[in-house]
Parts: sequence; C-alpha cells; structure tokens
Amino acid sequence: EAQVTQNPRYLITVTGKKLTVTCSQNMNHEYMSWYRQDPGLGLRQIYYSMNVEVTDKGDVPEGYKVSRKEKRNFPLILESPSPNQTSLYFCASSRPGPKYNEQFFGPGTRLTVL
Amino acid sequence: AQKITQTQPGMFVQEKEAVTLDCTYDTSDQSYGLFWYKQPSSGEMIFLIYQGSYDEQNATEGRYSLNFQKARKSANLVISASQLGDSAMFFCAMRENTGFQKLVFGTGTRLLVSP
Repeated sequence: EAQVTQNPRYLITVTGKKLTVTCSQNMNHEYMSWYRQDPGLGLRQIYYSMNVEVTDKGDVPEGYKVSRKEKRNFPLILESPSPNQTSLYFCASSRPGPKYNEQFFGPGTRLTVL
Repeated sequence: AQKITQTQPGMFVQEKEAVTLDCTYDTSDQSYGLFWYKQPSSGEMIFLIYQGSYDEQNATEGRYSLNFQKARKSANLVISASQLGDSAMFFCAMRENTGFQKLVFGTGTRLLVSP
C-alpha cells in the first residue's frame, strides 16, 4: 500500500529536550515536505527536500532541522523544543512536475511541548 | 507571492443539501494547480479534487466539483447532497508549477452537516 508514515503519532515533551519525528514514504517520491498546522493559520511549510541531500527552508523553519540521507526518509529534528512549537505536524511526499497532482500526506504527529 | 484566502471560518448545511465553500487565490504564475483537502476530526489530510490552471473544464470527483473562475481567481468547492460524514475542516491549497511546487494553504473552513 502506497503510504507516508510518521512516528510518533503523539508526543508530549518538555522544553529543551531534543526530539526527532520520523517520516518515511514507500512511493519512491523525489519531493518531501514538512508542514505544521495551527488553528486559524492553516498548514505552513517548514522545510522541503527535492531529492537526497537537497533540502531548503520553507516559510517557518526557525527551530527545526531536517536531513535527507535516503530517498524514502525525511526526519524532522527539534534540537531544543519550545512551547511555541506545540502543533500538529504533517509530512508529505510527491513527484515533481505539474502532471502529478497529489501530495500524499502522513497521518500527522501531534506534539505538545510543556 | 502565492496566497490563498478562505473567508468562511464555518459553514452549516442540512443533510442532502448542496454547499459551496469559497476560495480565492493570488499568484503571478500562469501555470498552477488548485487543490481541496478534507480534514476530519481524526486529523488526516484527505485529497479531494484538483484543478489545473489550463484545464478548460471544471473538475469533478463524485459529489465534489470545483467551480473554477480563472479571471476572478476563485476556486470554490461545491459539495452536492451533503452527508453527515462531510462534517470536517476543508482546506483550499495552491501549487505553482515552478521550483519546488510547494502547496500553500488557506486557513480552512469548518463544515457542519446537520440531520
């Protein structure tokens, strides 16, 4: 089954404790993204990757890091989480080109930073 | 820069009635795509429908249709014969077909379908 998986699905942590949210896709997609969703703001892109070892900042990258060492994986790293990073996080993947019309989203990770 | 505007924070509709969710967009690109996603209370993002900027016909997918008015830069979602299971958040999004082609989302409309 074609899918994007994220782990963990739910996480409660404390300020300053480093964490990683994993994302993996089995569709051999080149493009991968991380978004965060906050009430009243919709989804905003954090980081994206166009292929292995190619990553760049999205609209709200502060406080986050990513890596793309393998095509299927795109982990999101919070080196020192703060309460304003409490949010719902989505990983997404897609193929490049206007011909491919869908971004596939993971199930979401609900993060609470105390 | 791309921008998506959804002016309806919430909408109510009775079961079996049709409802239109508004979406306007702003872009300087000629080639772009417009998407609608549904987010039920369980949280996942469900792709509903896509319209390309060069598509001459409005997109349809089952009970969903996209009313695309290019000159007005609007891409309204029409849900015919609403069902109780349609109660959810609905997001309009746009992708410019250059560069990374990221999705830019609106703030969403919460639809509540009543019996």
